[in-house]
Amino acid sequence: DGGITQSPKYLFRKEGQNVTLSCEQNLNHDAMYWYRQDPGQGLRLIYYSQIVNDFQKGDIAEGYSVSREKKESFPLTVTSAQKNPTAFYLCASSTRGGTQAPTDTQYFGPGTRLTVL
Amino acid sequence: KQEVTQIPAALSVPEGENLVLNCSFTDSAIYNLQWFRQDPGKGLTSLLLIQSSQREQTSGRLNASLDKSSGRSTLYIAASQPGDSATYLCAAGTGTASKLTFGTGTRLQVTL
Repeated sequence: DGGITQSPKYLFRKEGQNVTLSCEQNLNHDAMYWYRQDPGQGLRLIYYSQIVNDFQKGDIAEGYSVSREKKESFPLTVTSAQKNPTAFYLCASSTRGGTQAPTDTQYFGPGTRLTVL
Repeated sequence: KQEVTQIPAALSVPEGENLVLNCSFTDSAIYNLQWFRQDPGKGLTSLLLIQSSQREQTSGRLNASLDKSSGRSTLYIAASQPGDSATYLCAAGTGTASKLTFGTGTRLQVTL
């Protein structure tokens, strides 16, 4: 079954802790994305990667970090510098990134709900 | 900066009705316009993608239209069913990296 998996489904973080959210895809997609969703707000882009070993900041990258060492994996670390990390985090992928991709839809994982204790 | 607005924020209709969801965007220089469905506590499911050169796309009971010059898209749902109850999100694809800017969604409830 092809798709995007995210783990864990629920995550609890103590003040001052770094936590890492996992995102894996077996769709052979080049581009991957991380979004944050807060109640009453649209999804906001945190980081995106168009190809392995390359990634760019999105609109709200402060307090987050990513890596893209493998095509199928794009983990997101929420650092202690992120002041309000409680949110629903969604990972997505698409066949291609960049200007070649106007026909490419984004496929989303099931999400991770992060709560700060 | 692209801004996407969806009206209404919530909508309740009886089963069988046809309905229209609205999406507006401020920057007409888009690559595409995508509609997604989100069930409570779940990820997004892609419904339709309209390229900037297209006027509409259809899938089953769903029809999405795009008018770039006026900055509007609509999602038409025919013969609504209780299983259509969900939040519907539109997103405008802009920039050089196929970045999506999302609206806040319309929460649809279809009642028996």
